[in-house]
Amino acid sequence: GAGVSQTPSNKVTEKGKYVELRCDPISGHTALYWYRQSLGQGPEFLIYFQGTGAADDSGLPNDRFFAVRPEGSVSTLKIQRTERGDSAVYLCASSNGYSTSGANVLTFGAGSRLTVL
Amino acid sequence: SQQGEEDPQALSIQEGENATMNCSYKTSINNLQWYRQNSGRGLVHLILIRSNEREKHSGRLRVTLDTSKKSSSLLITASRAADTASYFCATVPFYNNNDMRFGAGTRLTVKP
Repeated sequence: GAGVSQTPSNKVTEKGKYVELRCDPISGHTALYWYRQSLGQGPEFLIYFQGTGAADDSGLPNDRFFAVRPEGSVSTLKIQRTERGDSAVYLCASSNGYSTSGANVLTFGAGSRLTVL
Repeated sequence: SQQGEEDPQALSIQEGENATMNCSYKTSINNLQWYRQNSGRGLVHLILIRSNEREKHSGRLRVTLDTSKKSSSLLITASRAADTASYFCATVPFYNNNDMRFGAGTRLTVKP
C-alpha cells in the first residue's frame, strides 16, 4: 500500500485477555519494526524483522509478548494475559533498508492505541 | 532501551521565532535522524545526518552533529503554528544500520 497501515486503531480490553495488533507495511519493504510509546515518552524499541525472521527481539519486555511475520509482509504483535501496564500506543514502521541517502529511514503507521482496563 | 535524550522536554515560542532542540546520546553512531510526531499520529522522518557530517540543511531545518560531545541539535527557523509537534532524535549505531533507538522527545508549541 501507499503507507504503513495498522489495525485496530484503538483497542480496549480487560486485564488478562489476549490481544493481536496488525501491521501492513509498505509493499516491498523488507524490514519491519514494532515500537511501544507511552504518553509523553519516545518510542521504545520492541522487535524488528528482516524478511520473515526476527532479527532483533531484545526489546520485548517479557514472554507475554510475541510477534510474527510469516510471509515477510504483514506482521502481528501478540500480547497474552494483558496487564494494565501494557496500555500504550504500539507503533509499526517499515523500511527498504536503504534510502536514497544510503541509510535506513523508517516510515511509521499511525499506531494502535491499546487500553487495558 | 532508549538511546538519545532530548532537551528541553518542552519548548514554547511565538510564530516567527527560531526553535532549537538538542539531543545527547551515549554510543558511537552511524547516523542520527530527527523525526516529527503530530498528536495522535505516527512519526515522520525529517532529516538525517551521518557521523562524518557536521551540519545539514533542509528547507527551514538545520541539523548539527558533534560526535566528540555525542550531541546533535535541530534548529527550525521562522517557526509556524503548523510546526507544533513533538520532535524525536533517533540514533543508528555504527555496528548495525537496522537498529534505531529514540529519545523521549521535545514537545514544541508555536503560538500564532
